[in-house]
Formats: sequence, structure tokens, C-alpha cells
Amino acid sequence: QLQLQESGPGLVKPSETLSLTCSVSGDSIRSNSHYWAWVRQPPGKGLEWIGSIYYVGNSDIHPSLRRRVAISVDTSKNQFSLNLKSVTAADTAVYYCAREFSSSPELDYWGQGILVSVSS
Amino acid sequence: SSELTQDPSVSVALGQTVTITCHGDILRDYYANWYQQKPGRAPVLIIYDKTNRPSGIPDRFSGSTSGNMASLTITGAQADDEGDYYCNSRDINTNSVVFGGGTKLTVL
Repeated sequence: QLQLQESGPGLVKPSETLSLTCSVSGDSIRSNSHYWAWVRQPPGKGLEWIGSIYYVGNSDIHPSLRRRVAISVDTSKNQFSLNLKSVTAADTAVYYCAREFSSSPELDYWGQGILVSVSS
Repeated sequence: SSELTQDPSVSVALGQTVTITCHGDILRDYYANWYQQKPGRAPVLIIYDKTNRPSGIPDRFSGSTSGNMASLTITGAQADDEGDYYCNSRDINTNSVVFGGGTKLTVL
């Protein structure tokens, strides 16, 4: 059974960089059929796709976040990571990692999510 | 526009049928998927590729698409169906995944 687990700091200061890692277990991240995605959800609000990455390293990022987001993959550790720079309070959210089909937009496996607050 | 629009809230009497809709021009190019989210939990995929259900999803959930509108129908709603429902699709112009704003379902 595929499992994803987010890890990283729960508190980040304004203007700093938010860094999260998603550890994948139960299957290889080197899948020809899947991308690996980040989705966030501000408190009380809806879901927002941040971006996703293929195991060879090519990624797609939400147009509104492209200047601040980088997604990377480490196949040796079966992990992928999110860096979001210059954070503000508006970036406070639960951050989820998920598996995304490369040929379609369905996300079929999700991590439990991690709350990241931006505050000084 | 790459937006997907959903009604913020819908209610249904226990055992009755309810339809949740999702509107957006990008649905003309790419199909919709549906997710259920309970408070404090991660979303769960319940409909993919317009009409298909993942293993373990009850058959009272069904999906359809017509033009720029996708629909999720729950036939015989149960108390456990309360939660937030999100549609999503892909904007082929930006290759971005797009989520609808979500619909909160209340079972009366």
C-alpha cells in the first residue's frame, strides 16, 4: 500500500523559505505513470495545487507561484521536496503531498498533511 | 479562464439524492475528478476520469460531464457523506491542475 508522509518545520518566519519533504513508501517514486504533487489548503479554505514533479526532474508549477516555488526529487531516498521562498502569512496552510497521474489530473494517494504557520 | 466554480453549500435529506456541480471552460478540454474531504483529514479521490470510482468507493457516488459542467451525484445520501467535495481538472494551456472552490454537503 502506497504511503506518503510530509515532514518539515511547522513554523516559518515571514520572508524566509518554507521547506518540506515528502517520503514515499510502498512503491518507487520512479514511476513512468505518475507525477508527485504538492497541494495546500489555508485554514477554512479550499485546495490549491502548487505543482508537481516527474522522477527525472521536470516539473510543473502553478502560474501564480512560479516565482517562489521549486520542487525537487531525490530518487535515491524515494522523496520529493518543496521550497517556497519569501513566505507571508498568506502561505499559512496545511500542505499535502500526493501522487498525481502523469496523463490526467487525478491525485489518488495523499499524505496526511502538515500545518505550516508563517509568523514571527 | 482556468477557474472551476462550485456552489459553496448543498444540503440533502437522509436517503435522498443530491447533485453537486462544477462549472468551468477547462472541462471542455479535460475531464473532472471528484474528492471528498472530512474535517481534519486529507481529501479522498471518489470519482476519476468523469465516471469511474476507485476501489472501495460506494456505488451511490457517480459522476458525469456535459459541456463545461461536471456533476457528482449521490444516490441515497448517508450521514457519513457529510463533508466537503472538490472537483478538479487540468488547464491544458498552463498544464496546471485546478481545483474548484469546494461544496460543503450537509445531510439532514
